[in-house]
Amino acid sequence: DTGVSQDPRHKITKRGQNVTFRCDPISEHNRLYWYRQTLGQGPEFLTYFQNEAQLEKSRLLSDRFSAERPKGSFSTLEIQRTEQGDSAMYLCASSRTGTSGRAGNEQFFGPGTRLTVL
Amino acid sequence: GDSVTQMEGPVTLSEEAFLTINCTYTATGYPSLFWYVQYPGEGLQLLLKATKADDKGSNKGFEATYRKETTSFHLEKGSVQVSDSAVYFCALEGVGGFKTIFGAGTRLFVKA
Repeated sequence: DTGVSQDPRHKITKRGQNVTFRCDPISEHNRLYWYRQTLGQGPEFLTYFQNEAQLEKSRLLSDRFSAERPKGSFSTLEIQRTEQGDSAMYLCASSRTGTSGRAGNEQFFGPGTRLTVL
Repeated sequence: GDSVTQMEGPVTLSEEAFLTINCTYTATGYPSLFWYVQYPGEGLQLLLKATKADDKGSNKGFEATYRKETTSFHLEKGSVQVSDSAVYFCALEGVGGFKTIFGAGTRLFVKA
């Protein structure tokens, strides 16, 4: 299976600890997205990479959040000094720029990492 | 900023009933519009999309038409099946081409 994978699938941590999540996109996809989803809501955009460049970061992201995609392949999302309000499902998605460059490219989502902060 | 509003659920229908899930949006210019679906125990997957005004996206018997004049992208299906039970998300991709805004989702239950 060559879909988007995320690791770990579940993470329980205590308030104040740092956590790091990993996303492996579909191999030929140059775009990578991170979202956060809470119960009963749709995914909220966090950040976007085109290859290794982080092109946009949501204002929802505080300075405690950082994301990297060092070689334009896998990506990591780190949350420092976690708070109970960070408890959510963190989703990664990837897509490929269309041949015409137009928008409207399908995003392929991973299964998510569920974070619980105690 | 850009936003998406979709009808609240849950929506409960009997098998073979007609489905409409309303979605309206606010955006600058001409965004691309999507419906994503999340079946129980699975990740989000694209159901259909439309990238310009008056385009109709369709897949698996579902349809949605990009209406610029009413800023809407309502999802319809003529005859739902139990297997259509899922959460449906309307989404837009802004003119910049990468930031995607999702609605809150509408849960659909289809009874046999």
